[in-house]
Amino acid sequence: DAGVIQSPRHEVTEMGQEVTLRCKPISGHNSLFWYRQTMMRGLELLIYFNNNVPIDDSGMPEDRFSAKMPNASFSTLKIQPSEPRDSAVYFCASSFWGEKMAYEQYFGPGTRLTVT
Amino acid sequence: AQSVTQPDIHITVSEGASLELRCNYSYGATPYLFWYVQSPGQGLQLLLKYFSGDTLVQGIKGFEAEFKRSQSSFNLRKPSVHWSDAAEYFCAVAPSGGYQKVTFGIGTKLQVIP
Repeated sequence: DAGVIQSPRHEVTEMGQEVTLRCKPISGHNSLFWYRQTMMRGLELLIYFNNNVPIDDSGMPEDRFSAKMPNASFSTLKIQPSEPRDSAVYFCASSFWGEKMAYEQYFGPGTRLTVT
Repeated sequence: AQSVTQPDIHITVSEGASLELRCNYSYGATPYLFWYVQSPGQGLQLLLKYFSGDTLVQGIKGFEAEFKRSQSSFNLRKPSVHWSDAAEYFCAVAPSGGYQKVTFGIGTKLQVIP
């Protein structure tokens, strides 16, 4: 398997622009996570999907952030409008919800977002 | 709510020396525990995990960790460090049932010197 795939790997945009990050989870996994990593706050969970349904979005910073999972093989994280403080590395991770396997999250390589 | 403390932000060890990275957790019951490693520019990779049973768990790349309930600790160890082990290491905790939210520690950056 190719692992979790994220695109783009790097994104530089201007403040106010819309940004869309994409994730393809590992085939057969039924849970998907979006994380944000910064020096100041470390790794933060933004949202978690199970069977394509958002289960916990309490980590989404504000209404400018939205995430969708239209099917089991694709998810997007959108920021509109973007702000400089959104600059971070965004990770997507997936796992399989099953006995003793639910917590092995596999991470993608991340998208480094820079908002100027 | 669960939490994880990694008291050491940076650690420097000589190649060939032993390594211990500390992790303390806070959770009301026995949690699920993990160690992940992140190389520069990469995502996190699972090193090892503890769910139940033997409190000494073996992982990849020669790492092991020991769960000590009395100390609420899950320290990571390696008997002999290689230069390729230089990376950032994250301890994580999750509840042992239900919703699988994982809480990560702030990370420990390991530097290996010749």
